[in-house]
Amino acid sequence: AQSVTQLDSQVPVFEEAPVELRCNYSSSVSVYLFWYVQYPNQGLQLLLKYLSGSTLVESINGFEAEFNKSQTSFHLRKPSVHISDTAEYFCAVSESGAGSYQLTFGKGTKLSVIP
Amino acid sequence: DAGVIQSPRHEVTEMGQEVTLRCKPISGHNSLFWYRQTMMRGLELLIYFNNNVPIDDSGMPEDRFSAKMPNASFSTLKIQPSEPRDSAVYFCASSLGGAGTGSIKLFFGSGTQLSVL
Repeated sequence: AQSVTQLDSQVPVFEEAPVELRCNYSSSVSVYLFWYVQYPNQGLQLLLKYLSGSTLVESINGFEAEFNKSQTSFHLRKPSVHISDTAEYFCAVSESGAGSYQLTFGKGTKLSVIP
Repeated sequence: DAGVIQSPRHEVTEMGQEVTLRCKPISGHNSLFWYRQTMMRGLELLIYFNNNVPIDDSGMPEDRFSAKMPNASFSTLKIQPSEPRDSAVYFCASSLGGAGTGSIKLFFGSGTQLSVL
């Protein structure tokens, strides 16, 4: 079984400042890793994912995350945030094997961008 | 595409009443998931359907909860009788593929905010 820990429940940051949202996971098998974003009153949307290959993955809106197997982490970063990035961010993990369908989510980190 | 459609958006009911939540997945998707989101427990998977068949219902909290998927374009989650501790946001999500894909991209509906008084 897998588990996901998001170390910060809330992160306030000023506009145009950098941000890092931390995620650590636990699993006894190889995993796929995901970040989902939830804007107010909406469902979750996939932001980016790591399946294999390059450990650094990027989204279309400037976020990036790096898979670190030795530290079992998948932290999300953005060098300069915008007001529109205010949302809740969820890290998720699934087993990378046949028969896997279960996504295990962290409890989320609320990012508040301050003007 | 309209995305995953859930109804109602908000439901307020009294303890003991039956509640039915509805979901229309994205056309062509063959996997459907029901999740519950609470402050205390975060997002929990309740049940997973693949090709309209329930594959894993181990997350359904009690016999008061039941889910059906009579066809590829419709699913319901029913709570009977409802209790105040069932208050939460219930999300339906669909995806293309299913067991064995691993690299799941879920498309979520906007959720149903359920309040049981």
